[in-house]
Amino acid sequence: DTEVTQTPKHLVMGMTNKKSLKCEQHMGHRAMYWYKQKAKKPPELMFVYSYEKLSINESVPSRFSPECPNSSLLNLHLHALQPEDSALYLCASSQSGTGDSPLHFGNGTRLTVT
Amino acid sequence: GIQVEQSPPDLILQEGANSTLRCNFSDSVNNLQWFHQNPWGQLINLFYIPSGTKQNGRLSATTVATERYSLLYISSSQTTDSGVYFCAVRVSGTASKLTFGTGTRLQVTL
Repeated sequence: DTEVTQTPKHLVMGMTNKKSLKCEQHMGHRAMYWYKQKAKKPPELMFVYSYEKLSINESVPSRFSPECPNSSLLNLHLHALQPEDSALYLCASSQSGTGDSPLHFGNGTRLTVT
Repeated sequence: GIQVEQSPPDLILQEGANSTLRCNFSDSVNNLQWFHQNPWGQLINLFYIPSGTKQNGRLSATTVATERYSLLYISSSQTTDSGVYFCAVRVSGTASKLTFGTGTRLQVTL
């Protein structure tokens, strides 16, 4: 069982919709991450929050908006997405805020943009 | 940016066989992890191994950071080992950013 919980598991949204992906961990980890994975490709980093502050934004388009309400929660707000944004979105956490510890992933949200 | 290449890209094994997966990287790293992604998409952390050798059951890993490679050994493979194996590295001086390798897709048959 994963200790990083992501909801929903599947999401279908239109290009004009607004939706949010949610991620939760209760391991006391200090860093949380969003990755995007297209079919048959490796995960690609989108955002990193370290000690609840945004520390890395990998030049992600503004239609993706991350939020870290507290040390256990991470959201990804989606607005005006394109069909090419369809992918598996993975949340992860690590104990160290500097990245020097194992990364633990949730099961992901499979997003389809129509 | 850093290049992380894995070989072989695809591997088919019979159950019970052994295999070695390789991860080569183009820059100095201070963090290397191995992951298994099962057919349902779940990514499981297998090893956190910036250097040296570790073993966990039928799996073991070795990282030689000075020569910029890591190896993952799978012994007595089982069908549940099927999936994609990724290594991921963090370049020295780049806080928190793990870059994933190209992956090795493993299929274990009966």
